[in-house]
Amino acid sequence: NAGVTQTPKFQVLKTGQSMTLQCAQDMNHEYMSWYRQDPGMGLRLIHYSVGAGITDQGEVPNGYNVSRSTTEDFPLRLLSAAPSQTSVYFCASSYGAGGYTEAFFGQGTRLTVV
Amino acid sequence: DAKTTQPNSMESNEEEPVHLPCNHSTISGTDYIHWYRQLPSQGPEYVIHGLTSNVNNRMASLAIAEDRKSSTLILHRATLRDAAVYYCILSGGSNYKLTFGKGTLLTVNP
Repeated sequence: NAGVTQTPKFQVLKTGQSMTLQCAQDMNHEYMSWYRQDPGMGLRLIHYSVGAGITDQGEVPNGYNVSRSTTEDFPLRLLSAAPSQTSVYFCASSYGAGGYTEAFFGQGTRLTVV
Repeated sequence: DAKTTQPNSMESNEEEPVHLPCNHSTISGTDYIHWYRQLPSQGPEYVIHGLTSNVNNRMASLAIAEDRKSSTLILHRATLRDAAVYYCILSGGSNYKLTFGKGTLLTVNP
């Protein structure tokens, strides 16, 4: 099993450009989520999904869109990149609700917006 | 969300036990106590979790106070590979969300 796979690992964007960060998991997990981590900080939740076709906003959703058409994939779209979106982005998945199950994280996508 | 309090940093020597404390005085009855760690330039990695009883796995032990207002992650023999930021997180039984604080930066000295 590959676990949670994120692509790309690194990306540089110009202000105003759009792009999609890819996240795929092969563990048949229902729950998937996107976090961002700024220097010296903990992770903050952007969007999450509790199953295919169901998504909702997290703590810092502005400037990002998500969709979940399959169980395996949960892409994160930046609509119009801004320097404030420079961060490391992590995708996570878990079998059930986070309380009683463990979450698996990808290795991250390091995004720089210039 | 109930909050946790952890020391900003701790140091240990290689092959010695490490006790990482976490206070969570506002924990609710349905909150699980989770520990994750993040090695440099990597994503968070699950370590252990528990509800009321002490828990052991191949990585660590989790000791939970009887009133559940505090817990301790125990690494039995620290290695250099255990140097990481350790996060103590509370997550309710029906809540998928993990709320990360700043965690404890563990330094392991050779």
